[in-house]
Amino acid sequence: QVQLVQSAAEVKKPGSSVRVSCKASGDTFSNYAISWVRQAPGQGLEWMGGIIPIFGAGNYAQKSQGRVTITADISTSTAYMELSSLRSEDTAVYYCARGRLEGFWGAFDYWGQGTLVTVSS
Amino acid sequence: QSALTQPASVSGSPGQSITIPCTGTTSDVGGYDYVSWYQQHPGKAPKLVIYDVTNWPSGVSHRFSGSKSGNTASLTISGLQAEDEADYYCSSYTSSSTQVFGGGTKVTVL
Repeated sequence: QVQLVQSAAEVKKPGSSVRVSCKASGDTFSNYAISWVRQAPGQGLEWMGGIIPIFGAGNYAQKSQGRVTITADISTSTAYMELSSLRSEDTAVYYCARGRLEGFWGAFDYWGQGTLVTVSS
Repeated sequence: QSALTQPASVSGSPGQSITIPCTGTTSDVGGYDYVSWYQQHPGKAPKLVIYDVTNWPSGVSHRFSGSKSGNTASLTISGLQAEDEADYYCSSYTSSSTQVFGGGTKVTVL
């Protein structure tokens, strides 16, 4: 059974950066897209970007470009999302989610438990 | 990439059927059969209930069904039950090789 386990909650100051991790188990990590989706309090889901580890390069939503960096370490089956220049509007639960098909961006069949990032001075 | 358009809320009585529309453009919903739907209960991670417009993941009730016409996809919940009360989100693959979500619909069982 596939599992995605995310890192613990973070509290950050405005202007700083945060890195959230997502460790996968139970299937071939390198061939499946891992996406990052965030949800601000009381708001909807927002796709930020993702990576297919075997291909290496991240793929980003237009809004995310410039502040978000998504990477993957195949040796540890772990994906990372780093968000820089944090502001209060970045306070949200950040989820990682796996694409259903190998090598393709599509439906997300497995989700991590979510990581709350709070940005506050 | 703009978010897909969903109604903020839909309600129905137990046993009834409800339909949630999700409207996009020819660059997303209308251009690809890669629309998916997610159910999210409060404080929980989203759960996939429909993928590729009409398909069910293993273990998902067939009371959930999906369809698409032009730039609008729809999720229908038949035989509405109390446990179906949740937020529902559509998502689509896009021409930029990205994903986009709808704004979400709160389903209330009366």
